[in-house]
Amino acid sequence: NAGVMQNPRHLVRRRGQEARLRCSPMKGHSHVYWYRQLPEEGLKFMVYLQKENIIDESGMPKERFSAEFPKEGPSILRIQQVVRGDSAAYFCASSRGIEEGTEAFFGQGTRLTVV
Amino acid sequence: GNSVTQMEGPVTLSEEAFLTINCTYTATGYPSLFWYVQYPGEGLQLLLKATKADDKGSNKGFEATYRKETTSFHLEKGSVQVSDSAVYFCALKTGANNLFFGTGTRLTVIP
Repeated sequence: NAGVMQNPRHLVRRRGQEARLRCSPMKGHSHVYWYRQLPEEGLKFMVYLQKENIIDESGMPKERFSAEFPKEGPSILRIQQVVRGDSAAYFCASSRGIEEGTEAFFGQGTRLTVV
Repeated sequence: GNSVTQMEGPVTLSEEAFLTINCTYTATGYPSLFWYVQYPGEGLQLLLKATKADDKGSNKGFEATYRKETTSFHLEKGSVQVSDSAVYFCALKTGANNLFFGTGTRLTVIP
């Protein structure tokens, strides 16, 4: 059973370009969470999705950022018109549910560098 | 609101030394508490967890006890190894699965 798969592992974008980060959850998991880790900081929650629905996007910037988790295919975190401050590691986690004992498993992250 | 405060690093220890990384929390309701470990270039791995007061989580020689009276979840290990060098994150969750993380503590163990 493969773990949470994120790609690409490393992404370099020039200011103003778009970044698309992909996350394939573990088999059987329908809940996906995106986190951002700035250098030397902890992870900050961005958005929580359950198949085709955004459940909680309270941690996601209102502009330029969007997330989706379509019925088929991976979850996508999209950052439009990237700026230097978007440089960070973006981690995806997935879980089977939200009940106690349904642990969230993390991917290896995508490290975005904006030049 | 929910927040986690953990001991700032970096922490450098000699092999076989005793480790304590402090973690305290503020939460609405009754959170579950976690320690995650991040090895260089990797994602986070769950190290241990506790879901209610006085529970002790343990794994790979690491332990942490959920102390409601002091709102703490300190991580301990009796004898660290070089392979334990990593960043350790304390986290909590209430309700849905979105976790609140501390800022992380970098541990370096030298031979």
